Amino acid sequence: DGGITQSPKYLFRKEGQNVTLSCEQNLNHDAMYWYRQDPGQGLRLIYYSQIVNDFQKGDIAEGYSVSREKKESFPLTVTSAQKNPTAFYLCASSPLAGGTDTQYFGPGTRLTVL
Amino acid sequence: AQKITQTQPGMFVQEKEAVTLDCTYDTSDQSYGLFWYKQPSSGEMIFLIYQGSYDEQNATEGRYSLNFQKARKSANLVISASQLGDSAMYFCAMRGYNTDKLIFGTGTRLQVFP
Repeated sequence: DGGITQSPKYLFRKEGQNVTLSCEQNLNHDAMYWYRQDPGQGLRLIYYSQIVNDFQKGDIAEGYSVSREKKESFPLTVTSAQKNPTAFYLCASSPLAGGTDTQYFGPGTRLTVL
Repeated sequence: AQKITQTQPGMFVQEKEAVTLDCTYDTSDQSYGLFWYKQPSSGEMIFLIYQGSYDEQNATEGRYSLNFQKARKSANLVISASQLGDSAMYFCAMRGYNTDKLIFGTGTRLQVFP
């Protein structure tokens, strides 16, 4: 089945540790995105990538890093510089960057800092 | 700047009745897309329906329809014949033709009761 997978579903981190969230898609989509969701709020864009080996900062990129070495993979690293990382993280992809293509989402990773 | 406003934090509807979830938007773009997503308690964002700014007909997808009033900048979601499984958070979102960012509202929590 085609889709977007994220792992792990739940992640616990100690303060001062970096953690990496996985996002894989087999939809052959060009564009991929990372969003953060806090309780009672909508989604905010962290980073996005339109093509392999290229990515751009979103609205809240500080304390996060990404890579796009393969078309199907877009991992997100939450660094120790992120002051309040506890949140729900959603990865998405769309066929093309720009235009009004629909973004499709993965199941999400819930990160908790202990 | 683009903005999505959802003024209903919560809505209740009886099973088999129709319900309208409100969404207004603000943009200076001439070409844009409007989206509705459903987020059940599991967390995944499920795409429901899309409306393009130049589409003359209101979009419909099964029990979902989008009441698009361009002059009023509103894109309300209508769910007909509500089911218990429709209980979830619903997010309205917008994307300009020349941007890669999907702007989300704060969501409406819909609860369907028997």
